[in-house]
Amino acid sequence: GIQVEQSPPDLILQEGANSTLRCNFSDSVNNLQWFHQNPWGQLINLFYIPSGTKQNGRLSATTVATERYSLLYISSSQTTDSGVYFCAGRNSGNTPLVFGKGTRLSVIA
Amino acid sequence: GAVVSQHPSRVICKSGTSVKIECRSLDFQATTMFWYRQFPKQSLMLMATSNEGSKATYEQGVEKDKFLINHASLTLSTLTVTSAHPEDSSFYICSASDGSGFSYNEQFFGPGTRLTVL
Repeated sequence: GIQVEQSPPDLILQEGANSTLRCNFSDSVNNLQWFHQNPWGQLINLFYIPSGTKQNGRLSATTVATERYSLLYISSSQTTDSGVYFCAGRNSGNTPLVFGKGTRLSVIA
Repeated sequence: GAVVSQHPSRVICKSGTSVKIECRSLDFQATTMFWYRQFPKQSLMLMATSNEGSKATYEQGVEKDKFLINHASLTLSTLTVTSAHPEDSSFYICSASDGSGFSYNEQFFGPGTRLTVL
């Protein structure tokens, strides 16, 4: 099955800084999603982005399907952005998402 | 986006008892739901795929007799942890996809259930 790798595993930012999180996947995907897991464990859907670029406020994401990677950009980071960011993908039908190990982000004031 | 609920959000039980976790799709029908487990500071690991009206498909290493999954309707799937032991303590998360609309492949996740077995 598909394998998903995320980098960096940990990231510490000063409030206001920008960052880029990367997700590499081993095969073509028909679904690629980015999530933010909040301190209570809830997975918040950030982007559904099997290809192309999307933006939502201070966050944006780009997936280059032909090169099998996706990037999540966080601009002007805030302390509330802290948490774990996961990307997950799948490559066929309605099969389950496979998760990367996540990037643990800490934004300090 | 689509909403998935789970109940209970937190449960503490004694070793040897059984615990049932419910997962509901509130505003869409889900022919397929997925159950994941997450240990502290680790990623989500798929346990099983739950199909409405048929038997669940379990991932390798997941005991189907310990983790009973029932997908009784298009909006409800349940996970029962039978004869729970402390090593079953974990965060259990379900998910489902709408299967329709523009982002028909997008998966939505419930808020999770934190199980602690004493």
